[in-house]
Amino acid sequence: EAQVTQNPRYLITVTGKKLTVTCSQNMNHEYMSWYRQDPGLGLRQIYYSMNVEVTDKGDVPEGYKVSRKEKRNFPLILESPSPNQTSLYFCASSLSQVDEQFFGPGTRLTVL
Amino acid sequence: GQQVMQIPQYQHVQEGEDFTTYCNSSTTLSNIQWYKQRPGGHPVFLIQLVKSGEVKKQKRLTFQFGEAKKNSSLHITATQTTDVGTYFCAGPGGSQGNLIFGKGTKLSVKP
Repeated sequence: EAQVTQNPRYLITVTGKKLTVTCSQNMNHEYMSWYRQDPGLGLRQIYYSMNVEVTDKGDVPEGYKVSRKEKRNFPLILESPSPNQTSLYFCASSLSQVDEQFFGPGTRLTVL
Repeated sequence: GQQVMQIPQYQHVQEGEDFTTYCNSSTTLSNIQWYKQRPGGHPVFLIQLVKSGEVKKQKRLTFQFGEAKKNSSLHITATQTTDVGTYFCAGPGGSQGNLIFGKGTKLSVKP
C-alpha cells in the first residue's frame, strides 16, 4: 500500500530535550516536506527536499533541522524544543513540488 | 513575501445549501491545488488546476482557476454531512521548491 508513515504519532516532551520525528514514504517520490499546523494559521511549510541530499527552508524553519540521506526518509529534528513548537506536524511526499502531495497521518507534539 | 489568502475562515451551512470558498494569491500561480482535511485527519488531495480560466468538476464539487491565475474557488452544491472538514488551497511559493497553503476554510454542515 502506497503511504507516508510518521513516528511517533504523539509525543509529550520537555523544553530542551532533543527529539526526532521520522517520516518515510514507499512511493519513490523525489519531493518531501514538513508542515506544521496550528489553529487559525493553516499549514505552514517548515522544510522541503527536492531530492536526496537537497534540502531547503520553507516559511518557518527556525528551530528545526532536516536531512535527506536517502530518498524514502526525511526526518525532522528539533535540537532544543521550546513550547512554541507545540503543534501538529505533517510530513508529505510527491513526485515534485507541483504534483499531488501525499500526507502522513500527523504527529502531535507537546513541549512543556 | 508571497501570500495565499483564503476566505471565509469558517462557514456553517444547513445540509442541502451550497458552499463556496475563495483563494487569492498575491502573485500569479503556475498551478493551484485543493485539499480536504476531515476532522482529526490529514489533508487529502482533491484536484489540481493549471490553465487560465479552467473549470473542473467532481460530482457536486466545482473548481475554478481565474483568468489571471491569481485566484481560485471551490463550490459545493447541495452540501452533505460528509462534506464536513477544512478545505485548503495551495500554490507554488516564490522559492524554487516551496509550497504555500492558504489558512483553510472550515465547513460545518448541520443535518
